[in-house]
This record gives sequence, structure tokens and C-alpha cells, in this order.
Amino acid sequence: SQTIHQWPATLVQPVGSPLSLECTVEGTSNPNLYWYRQAAGRGLQLLFYSVGIGQISSEVPQNLSASRPQDRQFILSSKKLLLSDSGFYLCAWSTPYSGSYNEQFFGPGTRLTVL
Amino acid sequence: RKEVEQDPGPFNVPEGATVAFNCTYSNSASQSFFWYRQDCRKEPKLLMSVYSSGNEDGRFTAQLNRASQYISLLIRDSKLSDSATYLCVVGLGFARQLTFGSGTQLTVLP
Repeated sequence: SQTIHQWPATLVQPVGSPLSLECTVEGTSNPNLYWYRQAAGRGLQLLFYSVGIGQISSEVPQNLSASRPQDRQFILSSKKLLLSDSGFYLCAWSTPYSGSYNEQFFGPGTRLTVL
Repeated sequence: RKEVEQDPGPFNVPEGATVAFNCTYSNSASQSFFWYRQDCRKEPKLLMSVYSSGNEDGRFTAQLNRASQYISLLIRDSKLSDSATYLCVVGLGFARQLTFGSGTQLTVLP
């Protein structure tokens, strides 16, 4: 069965510091991978998605970036965090496109607080 | 106008009640439709996909009306464990990018 891991679970970082969040998926090959953010009291917002190694699409312009160095690894980074980067960061995966429905499955998330 | 709109609630219902959630979406080209549930401070979990013919999974029934761009979820015989936030979700695009509604909070009372 497929599992998705994210770490760390919780992170407190000062403004201006760098960020690296990691997500890995097991039990599937060539998944689509996604990064979402959920700000406090708000809905989920898609940040990036990837359909293959080295292929990254950005949905929202911001000071974050994403990379996919391996098939089942997805990394979210920032060079300098802003207060507004605080939130709950969620990684998700789906099977490669095979029709209209590609359900996405979420990792446990990283709760980031920027002080 | 939000891409996916839901009544935020909260809905407070007694155990055993039937509760219905509604959702509308703005992009008529949307291709896939889901309900997720999210427990407090946890990740969203897929509850059910929603198909054009409507579908049922135990106590849960989902309906889709593409002409009206409307999605619904019916929960029968509510349990305490159904208490959560229910997210209406629409997919579109090559990678089936998802757009989430802001959620409807349900509390089932003993």
C-alpha cells in the first residue's frame, strides 16, 4: 500500500531564516505530487505541483520554491521566511493521469510558525 | 466570487440526525469532484468521489449537478465520530489540480 511521509511535523523559525520541508511517497511510481498551504482559519491553497522529476508548476507567486530531485521526493523551500509564510503545509500525491478522477491523498503535514 | 463556495456553518446536530451540505463551483470546465473531511489540526482525508450519476457509501450520499454546478453531501444517522470539517473539492487541469472550498464545520451532539 502507498504511504506518504512529511517532516518535520512542527517547526518554529525566525523571520528571514531558510526553510526546507520534505515529502516522500512509498509504494507507487511516478506519482503526481502537490504542495498545499492552509493558513489559520482558511482553506487549502495549492502552491506547487509536479508530474515528474524536475517538473514543477507554480500556482501562486511567492517567496517559496519547490523541487523534485527524485521520483518520490518533493521538497518545499524558502531562502528567507516571512511572517505570512506561517501555516499548515501539506504534501499530497495522486496516480499519474489515467482519466477524469485522480484522487489525492495527503501526508500528515508540517505546522510552521514564523516568529 | 470564490471558485468553490460552501456554507461555513457551523452545523450542530443531534446523534441520529440527517444533515445535508451544499456546494457550488464556478468553473464549468471542472472535471472531478470530491468530498474530504478534515479533523481538527489534521490532514484532509478523502471521504468520497462524486460522480455524475450520484453515489452512495454507507450513510453518505453524494450528488452532482453539472448543469447547476452544484454538489451535495447527505449524511444519514449522524454519529459523534462524524464531527469534523467537510471540504468540497473540485479538480481541473492536466494534473487534476484541486481547488478546495473553505469547509463546513459539523458537530454531532450526544
